[in-house]
Amino acid sequence: GAGVSQSPSNKVTEKGKDVELRCDPISGHTALYWYRQRLGQGLEFLIYFQGNSAPDKSGLPSDRFSAERTGGSVSTLTIQRTQQEDSAVYLCASSLRGTGEGRDTQYFGPGTRLTVL
Amino acid sequence: KQEVTQIPAALSVPEGENLVLNCSFTDSAIYNLQWFRQDPGKGLTSLLLIQSSQREQTSGRLNASLDKSSGRSTLYIAASQPGDSATYLCAVRPRDDYKLSFGAGTTVTVRA
Repeated sequence: GAGVSQSPSNKVTEKGKDVELRCDPISGHTALYWYRQRLGQGLEFLIYFQGNSAPDKSGLPSDRFSAERTGGSVSTLTIQRTQQEDSAVYLCASSLRGTGEGRDTQYFGPGTRLTVL
Repeated sequence: KQEVTQIPAALSVPEGENLVLNCSFTDSAIYNLQWFRQDPGKGLTSLLLIQSSQREQTSGRLNASLDKSSGRSTLYIAASQPGDSATYLCAVRPRDDYKLSFGAGTTVTVRA
């Protein structure tokens, strides 16, 4: 079946502009995660959605970052007033959640490479 | 705070050699550990997931072991091929949370 998809694959923007990044999780997956990967560094957790529960936003680096998930499916990560340090690859993942072997496996999308000039 | 370390940062081997990738973590109270592969310009592909109650998982030429008490996991890739060239990441999920903590990865080059 279809995997996690993200759009756009690449985004170049000017400092101070707002950007929106989109994630389509695997159908039926109730959990959705956003991560950021800066050049040469490991992945940093940003935000987590699980079903209809309130999202865990504890990883968002500043109030310029926000995310929403509509209808328990598609998610949008918005970065306002972008800064050069926001340049990174933004990865989205989804999982089935719940107990049982394999249900917790996170499946990642190809990412959006954001470059802030 | 969970710290995940992967050594070495880079590895280059001739085709056919076995690969040994190491991952260590500081907090042994984990729920599971997952190994991923990342190709340039692409997302992560899950290779193996080991629950905290398990000692190892195998898939084809890949075998991952977990020693929770010592905070270590090792990924073995048998008879390496040029197609195995990629960055390999390990990630730990804590027992009381769902957020994964990632290592910085080991970049593998298999020379033909």
